[in-house]
Amino acid sequence: EAGVAQSPRYKIIEKRQSVAFWCNPISGHATLYWYQQILGQGPKLLIQFQNNGVVDDSQLPKDRFSAERLKGVDSTLKIQPAKLEDSAVYLCASSLVRVNTGELFFGEGSRLTVL
Amino acid sequence: QQQVKQSPQSLIVQKGGISIINCAYENTAFDYFPWYQQFPGKGPALLIAIRPDVSEKKEGRFTISFNKSAKQFSLHIMDSQPGDSATYFCAASKSNQFYFGTGTSLTVIP
Repeated sequence: EAGVAQSPRYKIIEKRQSVAFWCNPISGHATLYWYQQILGQGPKLLIQFQNNGVVDDSQLPKDRFSAERLKGVDSTLKIQPAKLEDSAVYLCASSLVRVNTGELFFGEGSRLTVL
Repeated sequence: QQQVKQSPQSLIVQKGGISIINCAYENTAFDYFPWYQQFPGKGPALLIAIRPDVSEKKEGRFTISFNKSAKQFSLHIMDSQPGDSATYFCAASKSNQFYFGTGTSLTVIP
């Protein structure tokens, strides 16, 4: 079974530029998450989708971050304009919608460096 | 607001020793408590998980101890090996929403 795919793996941009990250979840996983992981910290939820609807985006800085999940499969996360503090690894994860399962499957992440 | 508090931040253990990482939570609605292991350059991967209806779960060298009344849970790694050197995150979940601890960097010295 293929895992969660993310691209690009690495991205370096200047502040105020824009960047987009792509995620393809495990086939059949209805729930998709984007997490931000700053060096030395735990993953912080940015947005959670169930199919193509948003479940939770309370911690997404909506003035600069946006995310969509068209057709309930893959997803893109965009940052525009980027700030220095956005330097982090952006992790995509997916899970089956089963209350008693709960396992998150993570991709390898997209490392963003903002100069 | 940190939903899950994790300690220590880093841990160094001799090969063959026991590694213990602790977590505490506040929200009694959490119903699933996983531990994730993360190697450099990789995403976190599920190591072991527990639900609050049991006090302990063991899988090989890894054990979760769960204290519902104290709202605490811990990961014990028995016979720690150099290959266990990684960052460990505890998490707590309700309704498929996950809250992660800040992580513990474990180094096992040969």
